[in-house]
Amino acid sequence: NAGVTQTPKFRILKIGQSMTLQCTQDMNHNYMYWYRQDPGMGLKLIYYSVGAGITDKGEVPNGYNVSRSTTEDFPLRLELAAPSQTSVYFCASSYSKLKGYNEQFFGPGTRLTVL
Amino acid sequence: TQLLEQSPQFLSIQEGENLTVYCNSSSVFSSLQWYRQEPGEGPVLLVTVVTGGEVKKLKRLTFQFGDARKDSSLHITAAQPGDTGLYLCATTYKYIFGTGTRLKVLA
Repeated sequence: NAGVTQTPKFRILKIGQSMTLQCTQDMNHNYMYWYRQDPGMGLKLIYYSVGAGITDKGEVPNGYNVSRSTTEDFPLRLELAAPSQTSVYFCASSYSKLKGYNEQFFGPGTRLTVL
Repeated sequence: TQLLEQSPQFLSIQEGENLTVYCNSSSVFSSLQWYRQEPGEGPVLLVTVVTGGEVKKLKRLTFQFGDARKDSSLHITAAQPGDTGLYLCATTYKYIFGTGTRLKVLA
């Protein structure tokens, strides 16, 4: 199993451009997540999905959009990129929450710079 | 306001030393998790603690969940350079992560 894969690994955008960060998991997990990690900080949840066709906002959703048309894929869309979106983006997946806790499996991250 | 406060923020120690890092909150949680993140990679789960007062051991790492389920600690015995990384606590309530403790173990 490849686990959680993310593309691209690195990207530089100009202000106002848009792009899609791709995330795919092959573990048949129904929960998927997008986080951003700013330098020296922990992770902040952008959006999450509990299954195909269902998405919900996290702590910092502004400026982003997501879709979940299949169990495997959970792309993150940035519209009108801004310097404040410079960060490392992590996708994660997990099984259904059981007794309130679960293990998230993370991808290797996408390092995005907006100039 | 940060829901999960971790301390210290940075820690640099010599190989063989012991250390403890802390994760504190004013809120009560049903469970807390600890992750380790190495440079250029995503976090990897180390442990989940779910019962107040619970102690779990993972080789040289000892995790404790506070009796009131508001705090947790991670103790590393005889640290090794391979322990170097960012240690994050997290709760599955709203998927909140702490700010992390960046540990560097010098050979």
